[in-house]
Amino acid sequence: AQKVTQAQTEISVVEKEDVTLDCVYETRDTTYYLFWYKQPPSGELVFLIRRNSFDEQNEISGRYSWNFQKSTSSFNFTITASQVVDSAVYFCALSEADTGFQKLVFGTGTRLLVSP
Amino acid sequence: GAGVSQSPSNKVTEKGKDVELRCDPISGHTALYWYRQSLGQGLEFLIYFQGNSAPDKSGLPSDRFSAERTGGSVSTLTIQRTQQEDSAVYLCASSLSGTSGLPGYEQYFGPGTRLTVT
Repeated sequence: AQKVTQAQTEISVVEKEDVTLDCVYETRDTTYYLFWYKQPPSGELVFLIRRNSFDEQNEISGRYSWNFQKSTSSFNFTITASQVVDSAVYFCALSEADTGFQKLVFGTGTRLLVSP
Repeated sequence: GAGVSQSPSNKVTEKGKDVELRCDPISGHTALYWYRQSLGQGLEFLIYFQGNSAPDKSGLPSDRFSAERTGGSVSTLTIQRTQQEDSAVYLCASSLSGTSGLPGYEQYFGPGTRLTVT
């Protein structure tokens, strides 16, 4: 069963538009961690954020914000005023207590294309 | 500081040959992970090392795959008798801790080794 679902395969926006990347997860653990990573064309995965299951506060970092809702098992990522440099594949990931939190289970990724 | 480094960046090999992929984690990181990224399977966990504990090999796809970590630092992933389905990008990551009680530290990834089996 898919544990992390990123239903949006590809999103295209024009610069300065806001865009939200969806992530829905599935777990039986009460304690777990959620992550977002960015993979630019260079290929290296870049860590963006980690959130534990007990902290549902939304987080904002510059143009990036994250909305964690346990009620809907979602951890969505919004980029405000997108820029061409935001073009990348974005991965949502989950680590669970039953694997000692050590394995990241990734979604299939969402490719974001930001055009000028 | 220096990030996770991997070598080689690209490797082309013939089917049936053995290959070794190397990973140098971030200094001070006690946990090391290998993942594989392929078109068909996405990003998959392969193996995890934490200190001197026995590695978690639960993600290795077959007994042709093995890995070791020497001196708690550098790791080598070995694929024996390579097959075309082994073609993928092999990613290494490290994190500050995998110790029980200190869970969920973010993993920092290297640039990967692109393996092509012809």
